[in-house]
Amino acid sequence: QQPVQSPQAVILREGEDAVINCSSSKALYSVHWYRQKHGEAPVFLMILLKGGEQKGHDKISASFNEKKQQSSLYLTASQLSYSGTYFCGTEQGAQKLVFGQGTRLTINP
Amino acid sequence: DAGVIQSPRHEVTEMGQEVTLRCKPISGHDYLFWYRQTMMRGLELLIYFNNNVPIDDSGMPEDRFSAKMPNASFSTLKIQPSEPRDSAVYFCASNSLGGRGGYTFGSGTRLTVV
Repeated sequence: QQPVQSPQAVILREGEDAVINCSSSKALYSVHWYRQKHGEAPVFLMILLKGGEQKGHDKISASFNEKKQQSSLYLTASQLSYSGTYFCGTEQGAQKLVFGQGTRLTINP
Repeated sequence: DAGVIQSPRHEVTEMGQEVTLRCKPISGHDYLFWYRQTMMRGLELLIYFNNNVPIDDSGMPEDRFSAKMPNASFSTLKIQPSEPRDSAVYFCASNSLGGRGGYTFGSGTRLTVV
């Protein structure tokens, strides 16, 4: 079953923060986050494996609440390069990822 | 490593024709995935392989679609006969169970069926 992402779209000014949420009706064992720029392939950002785990890369971080079957992606002090569509993917079977519908993030100067 | 390599990058074909998409995964990756992306349906998993063996093809839309992986370095996705509703971007991705680095996607094949 496809995870649900919210919001569907976000428009920010450079330097502002954003949160993208991903929830599933099924038990989550891991959550992946990817970013896709227009006309390009999705690019892996991070994977979260444990309940309550948080990871970060530069100013992009994520949390994973296994009990609530939710994950959130946090983008702080956004940069123009953060623009794109963000997808969460939930693992449903060994290595089998099902992706959410995506959240389009637009960063304006 | 050159990454996941897909060909062709673009394909325009007439309805009813056979289309073959190709993928070369990253060397050493034992999982290979075929996804289709459209505006309406997003990223859909079509089929995936582990060690060249199909594991789950429940996402293959109908019998017109078939996929093979004859060896660890090559996979094909075939559509026969093609229909306009098959128009989409088809991505191949690979991964390794031993590594937790996420999927690596190829650049995709943009298929247009007219």
